[in-house]
Amino acid sequence: DAGITQSPRYKITETGRQVTLMCHQTWSHSYMFWYRQDLGHGLRLIYYSAAADITDKGEVPDGYVVSRSKTENFPLTLESATRSQTSVYFCASRVDSRSYNEQFFGPGTRLTVL
Amino acid sequence: AQSVAQPEDQVNVAEGNPLTVKCTYSVSGNPYLFWYVQYPNRGLQFLLKYITGDNLVKGSYGFEAEFNKSQTSFHLKKPSALVSDSALYFCAVRRNSGYSTLTFGKGTMLLVSP
Repeated sequence: DAGITQSPRYKITETGRQVTLMCHQTWSHSYMFWYRQDLGHGLRLIYYSAAADITDKGEVPDGYVVSRSKTENFPLTLESATRSQTSVYFCASRVDSRSYNEQFFGPGTRLTVL
Repeated sequence: AQSVAQPEDQVNVAEGNPLTVKCTYSVSGNPYLFWYVQYPNRGLQFLLKYITGDNLVKGSYGFEAEFNKSQTSFHLKKPSALVSDSALYFCAVRRNSGYSTLTFGKGTMLLVSP
C-alpha cells in the first residue's frame, strides 16, 4: 500500500526555470492539497482540489499552477521559480468532502532555488 | 478568518515526565481541531482530532488532548514522555460548518531528554 508519494524528494533549480513537483495517491481520495512549509510560518496552503478538474486557490497561490486530470495525480508547477519559493512542499489527501476527516501527507519535496 | 497559536516554539521535558504542548485557536462558530506530528525528514502524521462530544480526546501513541471551549484551547498531553516522542507538533483548526480549509499553527518542537 504505497499511500501518497511525492517526486522528486529533493530538487535544486535556478531562478527562472520551470519546475514540476509530482504527487500521486493510491487511495482514490477525492480531495488533494499542496502546502509549503517554512520556518516560522508552519504549513501554508497553496492550492487544493476537490476532484478531477476542480481546483481552487489557497492562502499563497501566486507563482504556482496546478492541474488534476486524474483523481490520483496532483502536480504542482512553478512556472518561473524564484528564490522565495525555496521551501519544503507537502502534498496531502483527504478521503472526501467531510471536513472532519483527517488529511494524509506525503513525505515532502525539498526544493532549493538558486 | 481562522487562526491557530502555538505559543511555545520549543518544549523541553525529561523522559517519564508528563508533557503538554499548548494550542489556542480562533474560528467563527464551532471548530474541528487536529494534532499532527512530524518526525525529521518525514511528512505530517495524524495524531488525534476533536469533532464533537467528549472534551477529552485520545489518540495515537498515548497522546490525548483536551478541548476547552471557554478558553478556546486544545492542548496536547501525554502522562509519561518518551525520547521517541521528540518531534515537531502542529495544531490545526477549521470551522465545522460551511466550507473552510485547514489552518495550521507554526508548530512546537518537543524535545524529550533521557
